[in-house]
Amino acid sequence: DIQMTQSPSSLSGSVGDRVTITCRASQTISNYLNWYQQKRGEAPKLLLFAASSLQSGVPSRFSGSGSGTDFTLTISSLQPEDFATYYCQQSYRIPYTFGQGTKLEIK
Amino acid sequence: QVQLQESGPGLVKPSQTLSLTCTVSGDSISSGNNYWTWVRQHPEKGLEWIGYIHSSGNTYYNPSLKSRVSISLDTSKNQFSLTVTSVTAADTAVYFCARGGPIVQLRFDPWGQGTLVTVSS
Repeated sequence: DIQMTQSPSSLSGSVGDRVTITCRASQTISNYLNWYQQKRGEAPKLLLFAASSLQSGVPSRFSGSGSGTDFTLTISSLQPEDFATYYCQQSYRIPYTFGQGTKLEIK
Repeated sequence: QVQLQESGPGLVKPSQTLSLTCTVSGDSISSGNNYWTWVRQHPEKGLEWIGYIHSSGNTYYNPSLKSRVSISLDTSKNQFSLTVTSVTAADTAVYFCARGGPIVQLRFDPWGQGTLVTVSS
């Protein structure tokens, strides 16, 4: 299985901050990488697919980059509704696997 | 707007079979190039892909669960279902259904709200 490792596991930020979350794959996955946001008690929500393509309806402050094994999710200016847990997921090979999550908390 | 909703028992006894259904509205499960998916999340843990069924009926499962899992379509009700046999406490989780697609750059969207299944005697 392809292992997905996110860092950090948690971070805190203030409204208006720029934050970056990293996801590393245990082998190359080209750009077959998706990002999800999950708020407590809710289902995950797709933010970005193919590493950098913004899902329809997602604010442009979210962006993604990377290819191969290293990827990043950036939020350019944190908003109160962005405090949640973020997951990366590879769709390169079955079984599809997720990172362990990065919990973004209010400082 | 596509919506998915899970349903099924919230409590299952060890060694028994877990059965969940996902009802889809706003899309047809028998048409298009979609992969109707089940994902689970253990308490306070990350996400695990269980498997999916294509609109054609072809299925693909996580090898870690393959011997115990089955996913099927009920096109008359626009539903798809998950069955997990011989459950243990390790199968206690929130189970989500989701729509996957396209197969190139596959992603899961949207998701159902999830349903908690507890395995306990």
